[in-house]
Amino acid sequence: GPKVLQIPSHQIIDMGQMVTLNCDPVSNHLYFYWYKQILGQQMEFLVNFYNGKVMEKSKLFKDQFSVERPDGSYFTLKIQPTALEDSAVYFCASSLQNTLYFGAGTRLSVL
Amino acid sequence: GQQVQQSPASLVLQEGENAELQCNFSTSLNSMQWFYQRPGGSLVSLFYNPSGTKHSGRLTSTTVIKERRSSLHISSSQTTDSGTYLCALEPGYQNFYFGKGTSLTVIP
Repeated sequence: GPKVLQIPSHQIIDMGQMVTLNCDPVSNHLYFYWYKQILGQQMEFLVNFYNGKVMEKSKLFKDQFSVERPDGSYFTLKIQPTALEDSAVYFCASSLQNTLYFGAGTRLSVL
Repeated sequence: GQQVQQSPASLVLQEGENAELQCNFSTSLNSMQWFYQRPGGSLVSLFYNPSGTKHSGRLTSTTVIKERRSSLHISSSQTTDSGTYLCALEPGYQNFYFGKGTSLTVIP
């Protein structure tokens, strides 16, 4: 089936540093999402896009978060500076209309 | 508040038994989806089911919009079905909110 690619799979950084998470969605998909899942907890919505533009941000999308689409293909989620509570798995997903396709996630550990 | 309630939180089955997982919504919905989350963490879409009943192999999903609920039925469970089952509500358009999931363990 369609593949959503996330890089890196794991990232360990010190609190206060910047981190950039990357996601390459399915090529013809118009909708794009970032989700955060703390270990053992609920999948929580962060932000979504339509046709490359932000549609909605949740309360979890702090000022330290930013999202970009540098070259019109892949998306980035940047956290600067990171905090301990940012430790989680960050999933991206894309869809054409209905079905969401998820990447394998980036496990972020902030020490 | 919590828009999506899933039950049970966890379930242990003997291989071959059937499972019924429930998802209840506190708001109206445009549609909903069921996902399987592997023990390693990645998610696989099982059903996009805005209303009615859909079948896929041993899985059946039924969504009743008026009653704000959806169910996932797994028949003849197998050990490979073990994992977490998530439902996600689409209250508006193209935004999905997840429940906490049902953790399923199928023992041989």
